[in-house]
Formats: sequence, structure tokens, C-alpha cells
Amino acid sequence: SSELTQDPAMSVALGQTVRITCQGDSLRSYYASWYQQKPGQAPVLVIYGQNNRPSGIPDRFSGSSSANTASLTITGAQAEDEADYHCKSRDSSGNHLYVFGPGTKVTVL
Amino acid sequence: EVQLVQSGGGLVRPGGSLRLSCAASGFTFSNYWMTWVRQAPGKGLEWVANIKQDGGQIYYVDSVKGRFTISRDNAKNSLYLQLSSLRAEDTAIYYCARAFLAGTVHWFDPWGQGTLVTVSS
Repeated sequence: SSELTQDPAMSVALGQTVRITCQGDSLRSYYASWYQQKPGQAPVLVIYGQNNRPSGIPDRFSGSSSANTASLTITGAQAEDEADYHCKSRDSSGNHLYVFGPGTKVTVL
Repeated sequence: EVQLVQSGGGLVRPGGSLRLSCAASGFTFSNYWMTWVRQAPGKGLEWVANIKQDGGQIYYVDSVKGRFTISRDNAKNSLYLQLSSLRAEDTAIYYCARAFLAGTVHWFDPWGQGTLVTVSS
């Protein structure tokens, strides 16, 4: 199966740490990539590969992976980090088919 | 600046057709895979289609196979998505994105601004 699961919503106090997880069988073979999406805006890539951040993404964002679970961690969450976070993986078939998780809404309190 | 600017979209009746365009600038378009992703109102992201640099490999999500066609014109730095036999469930914001797809690593960046397709009678 190439389905990915994520918690629908999480909250974090300002300045604290939140870990967002993404589970799926395909994550045993492929890294996840993570996208931040704020209301009314296009998604933005925040983490890809083992733990790579595109230029301009703050270093409070980090990624990790173990077995069938990929994680996105925000260390020292800021108000501007309140957003939906979507994970993505490649299909287990090996073809260039991709699947997104349902997304996690992160609220910064 | 790497940029993708989308056009097309709008209101179309069930069974109708529409073409979306995505104009790229700020990078060598012909060096990258390109992709389309959609988002139904209030829902998550759904990958729709990918096309390789030379158009020689194309992939679709099952729900659009036989109805949507992804294409590109490297001379015009442009990506297209032809939508046909449209259904109400195709109503969504459609995003184009530059893609890096290699082995275990993959990313979509940047994304276009999105264009709304509404299928309704």
C-alpha cells in the first residue's frame, strides 16, 4: 500500500517543539518530503531527503525517518509556523507515482 | 528568480474540457521533471501527473488516466495539463511545480500560484 497517514491536528506552545509524523509502507523504501501550506497560499517545500532544507527555510525545521515513519520536527515553534504540513512519498511500485498524506494542521498557541 | 506562473482554469460544465498552462522562468526548464498537483476545496493535496524532461516518461494518478493529458514545450518553457471529460470531483485548485525525482529522494519546488477549476452545471 502507498497510503500515508498523519494526525489531523496538533498544537504547540510558542517556542516549544512539535513533532509531526507520517506513516506508510512506502517510507521503508523512500524518503518523505514535507510541504508547509498557509491558508490561501501554495505549498512550500521545507524538508526533503534524509534531512535537507531548501534555501530560506529556517533551521528550526528538521526531518528524520525510521522504519515506516517519517517525522518533521519544529524546534522552537514560531507564530508564523502555524500552517498545514503535508508529507509526500513515492509509490512502492517504483514508478514515478507519488502520494501525499492527508496533512496535519499545526496551531501555535 | 525561479518562478512558475499559471494560467487557465475557470468554470466548466461536467463532461467539458479545459487546458491549464504553467510558464517557467529563472531556471533551465528542460533539465527538470515537472508535475501537477491538485487540492479539492478544504481537502489535502493530491498528486496528479508527472512528465520527464524530454516528455519520454509520463505518469498519472489512476483517477485521471484517460481523461487528463500532461505535456510540455521546452522551447517555450511551458507545461500544460489538458483536462477532459471533467467531473464534479475534479473541482480543485491545480498547482504546477518543478520536480526533482531521483531514487529515494524527491521534491516539488517551487510551486505555481495555483488555478481554480470548477466543474459544475
